[in-house]
Amino acid sequence: DGGITQSPKYLFRKEGQNVTLSCEQNLNHDAMYWYRQDPGQGLRLIYYSQIVNDFQKGDIAEGYSVSREKKESFPLTVTSAQKNPTAFYLCASSAPGGNQPQHFGDGTRLSIL
Amino acid sequence: GEDVEQSLFLSVREGDSSVINCTYTDSSSTYLYWYKQEPGAGLQLLTYIFSNMDMKQDQRLTVLLNKKDKHLSLRIADTQTGDSAIYFCAESNPGGYQKVTFGIGTKLQVIP
Repeated sequence: DGGITQSPKYLFRKEGQNVTLSCEQNLNHDAMYWYRQDPGQGLRLIYYSQIVNDFQKGDIAEGYSVSREKKESFPLTVTSAQKNPTAFYLCASSAPGGNQPQHFGDGTRLSIL
Repeated sequence: GEDVEQSLFLSVREGDSSVINCTYTDSSSTYLYWYKQEPGAGLQLLTYIFSNMDMKQDQRLTVLLNKKDKHLSLRIADTQTGDSAIYFCAESNPGGYQKVTFGIGTKLQVIP
């Protein structure tokens, strides 16, 4: 079945450490997105990518980095510059064309040790 | 900027209908979506409606759109305990990419 796979499901970060969250999709979608979800704040866009080798900052990109070397993959790195990284991270993708709905993975919960 | 507002909590009895409401501010919204999130999981797309439609029905789900008042609702008929989840309203608007604005979610509690 086609879908979006996020890994790991749970991740712990030490102070000063960078961690990378994986997102893979086999839906042949061009666009991919990373969101951060905090209680009571809904979803906030971190980065998005419309095509391979191109990505743009979202509303809260500081302290995060991404790459898009392959169509299927859009990893997110949470750097040590992100001072409050504890959150639930969601990856999504969408097909080309206007207003195609976004489809989501099952998320990664990141906590600080 | 765009804003999507939802009430935080709704409690209904099993078998009753649930109505979850949402208001949005962007008059250029083209599609409006409803997503469901169960604990510890991602968002599952339930249904969506184009802004030139008034209503869309899909089995137990009915979406009503009042474009004049920028009001969207999701009605779940015969609500079951498995419907307990957080429901997100979202809107997209024309742009260089598919920018979607999400509400903060309404937690639906179904009482057996």
